[in-house]
Amino acid sequence: EIVLTQSPATLSLSPGERATLSCRASQSVSSYLAWYQQKPGQAPRLLIYDASNRATGIPARFSGSGSGTDFTLTISSLEPEDFAVYYCQQRSNWPTFGQGTKLEIK
Amino acid sequence: QVQLQESGPGLVKPSQTLSLTCTVSGGSISSGGYYWSWIRQHPGKGLEWIGYIYYSGSTYYNPSLKSRVTISVDTSKNQFSLKLSSVTAADTAVYYCARESQWLAGVYFDYWGQGTLVTVSS
Repeated sequence: EIVLTQSPATLSLSPGERATLSCRASQSVSSYLAWYQQKPGQAPRLLIYDASNRATGIPARFSGSGSGTDFTLTISSLEPEDFAVYYCQQRSNWPTFGQGTKLEIK
Repeated sequence: QVQLQESGPGLVKPSQTLSLTCTVSGGSISSGGYYWSWIRQHPGKGLEWIGYIYYSGSTYYNPSLKSRVTISVDTSKNQFSLKLSSVTAADTAVYYCARESQWLAGVYFDYWGQGTLVTVSS
């Protein structure tokens, strides 16, 4: 099983600031990595696929980078609606998710 | 617009079988090209993939749950279902159904149901 470790567990920032979230895989997943956003009481929403491509309708302030074992999700300037939990996910053999990073308002 | 909707009992007794159904609208399971999954989220915790089924009926399960899981498909009703046997309190979670699609290189979850809370308790 490929384990994904996200850091930090919680990130406290203010609107307008830049957010950088990390995801590390226990073995290489090439670029087969996605990022999801989940708000309370809602299902996750696909933000980034194949490590660096924005899904349909996702604002340009969201960007992803990385390959192999180290990946980053960057939100360039936080909007109030961006405060949520973010998960990374790989699909090498079977899907696994990271434990999540909670992005909270400072 | 594809929509998925979970249905089934919200309360299951320990040792019994949890049964959920996902109804797909706005697209046909039979059209192929997608994997239809079940994912769960324990209260306040992360996401755990349970398994998927292809329209042909082929399945793949999370090895940690494989002995207790059965996923089936009914293309005539455009539904797929989850059965999880011998449940315990540790199976209490929000259960989501989701569609996995090919996006350029990889396969990812692009449509999700709203989720349904299943509590295991006597």
